Amino acid sequence: NAGVTQTPKFQVLKTGQSMTLQCAQDMNHEYMSWYRQDPGMGLRLIHYSVGAGITDQGEVPNGYNVSRSTTEDFPLRLLSAAPSQTSVYFCASSQGPFNYGYTFGSGTRLTVV
Amino acid sequence: KNEVEQSPQNLTAQEGEFITINCSYSVGISALHWLQQHPGGGIVSLFMLSSGKKKHGRLIATINIQEKHSSLHITASHPRDSAVYICAVTTFGGGADGLTFGKGTHLIIQP
Repeated sequence: NAGVTQTPKFQVLKTGQSMTLQCAQDMNHEYMSWYRQDPGMGLRLIHYSVGAGITDQGEVPNGYNVSRSTTEDFPLRLLSAAPSQTSVYFCASSQGPFNYGYTFGSGTRLTVV
Repeated sequence: KNEVEQSPQNLTAQEGEFITINCSYSVGISALHWLQQHPGGGIVSLFMLSSGKKKHGRLIATINIQEKHSSLHITASHPRDSAVYICAVTTFGGGADGLTFGKGTHLIIQP
């Protein structure tokens, strides 16, 4: 099925561990983005990419790293997990950042203990 | 940065009622999105609009560009409509950082 695939769906990490959240889309979308969702805060942009080889920071980039080596994949890396990174993470893709619909992945629920 | 405000934050209604959720924003936009998120679930795009009105089944979205305001209406509400509804906008001139989100409206439809 066409769409955005996120893995894993759930993850528990210990403080200081690193991990990569995977995001893949098969719609040939140029624009991809990562958000975190926290209670009472709404969704906030972590990083985004307008195409392969191009990434930029969003509102809350600290502690996260991204790369975009292909159009399809946009992984999010947590370098050294902290309890403040406990959240639900969503990846999304679109043909472009403006005036196009967005397709969201199903989310990754991350707990850092 | 565009500020997106939604009201109400929480809404409980009886099955069959007409529901209205409001969204206002502070800066002119290129498009406004309405999203739906069921408890513990993913996010689904309902509408994208930049003017006028769109309808899909029992859902209607309207936008008034001059007043910087949009509404999402649900007719003949049903318990399966219970979800968080999120308004989001894209703003020209703010870089390519895409969507700015409201905090969502938590809707519960009781049978």
